[in-house]
Amino acid sequence: DAGVTQSPTHLIKTRGQHVTLRCSPISGHKSVSWYQQVLGQGPQFIFQYYEKEERGRGNFPDRFSARQFPNYSSELNVNALLLGDSALYLCASSLLAPGAVKAFFGQGTRLTVV
Amino acid sequence: KQEVTQIPAALSVPEGENLVLNCSFTDSAIYNLQWFRQDPGKGLTSLLLIQSSQREQTSGRLNASLDKSSGRSTLYIAASQPGDSATYLCALSGAGSYQLTFGKGTKLSVIP
Repeated sequence: DAGVTQSPTHLIKTRGQHVTLRCSPISGHKSVSWYQQVLGQGPQFIFQYYEKEERGRGNFPDRFSARQFPNYSSELNVNALLLGDSALYLCASSLLAPGAVKAFFGQGTRLTVV
Repeated sequence: KQEVTQIPAALSVPEGENLVLNCSFTDSAIYNLQWFRQDPGKGLTSLLLIQSSQREQTSGRLNASLDKSSGRSTLYIAASQPGDSATYLCALSGAGSYQLTFGKGTKLSVIP
């Protein structure tokens, strides 16, 4: 079975640009969460979607937005990119809300803002 | 606000040694605790999940314990191997919360 799939794997953007990151959860999983991991730090929670509804939002500016589609895949959008947005963006998939059951992570998208 | 601390930040051991990684947290009202492994530049691999009602979980050479009253969890790795070299992260979900709160991780190096 395929695991959590994220695309693209690497991305370079210029300050002020917009970026869209994509995530396909494990088949049958209805919950997708997004995390940002800056080098040397643990992942920080950005968003959580369950059954296509936003169920949680971390302490990130409104430049960050996300959505979940009917097939449970998800997009993370970041507008007006800043140098500080450079990080590994991780998507997590779980059968139910991730706090209740094991979360499975994708390989991440490495975003570099120059 | 839940805070998760992992000490030490880095650990180097010779192959074959048994070792313990520590994770402490400030709020004992947790739903569960998970241990993850992360290889450089890669995503996270789930190792063990302990529900708040459990005391420990085992998988192969790994054993994780949870003591909510003291706000601590440990990950025990038996007979360490060079392939165990990675960063180990613990993460907690709080009661009623959908998010995982992570520590900064412990970078483990197992020397052949």
